[in-house]
Amino acid sequence: GQSLEQPSEVTAVEGAIVQINCTYQTSGFYGLSWYQQHDGGAPTFLSYNGLDGLEETGRFSSFLSRSDSYGYLLLQELQMKDSASYFCAVLQTGANNLFFGTGTRLTVIP
Amino acid sequence: EAGVAQSPRYKIIEKRQSVAFWCNPISGHATLYWYQQILGQGPKLLIQFQNNGVVDDSQLPKDRFSAERLKGVDSTLKIQPAKLEDSAVYLCASSMTSGSFGQETQYFGPGTRLLVL
Repeated sequence: GQSLEQPSEVTAVEGAIVQINCTYQTSGFYGLSWYQQHDGGAPTFLSYNGLDGLEETGRFSSFLSRSDSYGYLLLQELQMKDSASYFCAVLQTGANNLFFGTGTRLTVIP
Repeated sequence: EAGVAQSPRYKIIEKRQSVAFWCNPISGHATLYWYQQILGQGPKLLIQFQNNGVVDDSQLPKDRFSAERLKGVDSTLKIQPAKLEDSAVYLCASSMTSGSFGQETQYFGPGTRLLVL
């Protein structure tokens, strides 16, 4: 079976840094993706880690440790517009499709 | 570049009725996905097509759900008959997928919000 765990809610202050963790259990793991979804909107791709280590894309970074079955998304210089749900998703071997977690709702406060 | 198009955006039906959703992926994208997203949860894959062939439909409730992708472009997802628990957002996504395995960014459409009464 597969499972993904991430915190259900996180609150952070504008301008601060926030880290959203994701732990996974899966029978076949190829990589970890992160998607952002605003209320009423479509999920949009943020980042992908196929190898251990840090990937940086502007204010967003994502990290993967295969040995720990663990990853995180790091958001820096938080802005109000970053208030959204963030999903980690496992890219599974053999299927070439994504298994999504339940999401973390991030609220950025002034 | 036009994004993934879906229609209708909203649909309200009564249980036991039928409903169909349409998706037009990004031009040139070989792979098309249908997801179900229940409020407060992540998207759950229902079916994945590559061109007009089914790659994965292991989570599609085949007794009531069906999908097709004729000519390898547009796709329709049908529910017949609908149940209360089918109330959700149905998301269509597409990716380029050259045929080699690897991370392909999925581009999502705006979704169809279904309410079953």
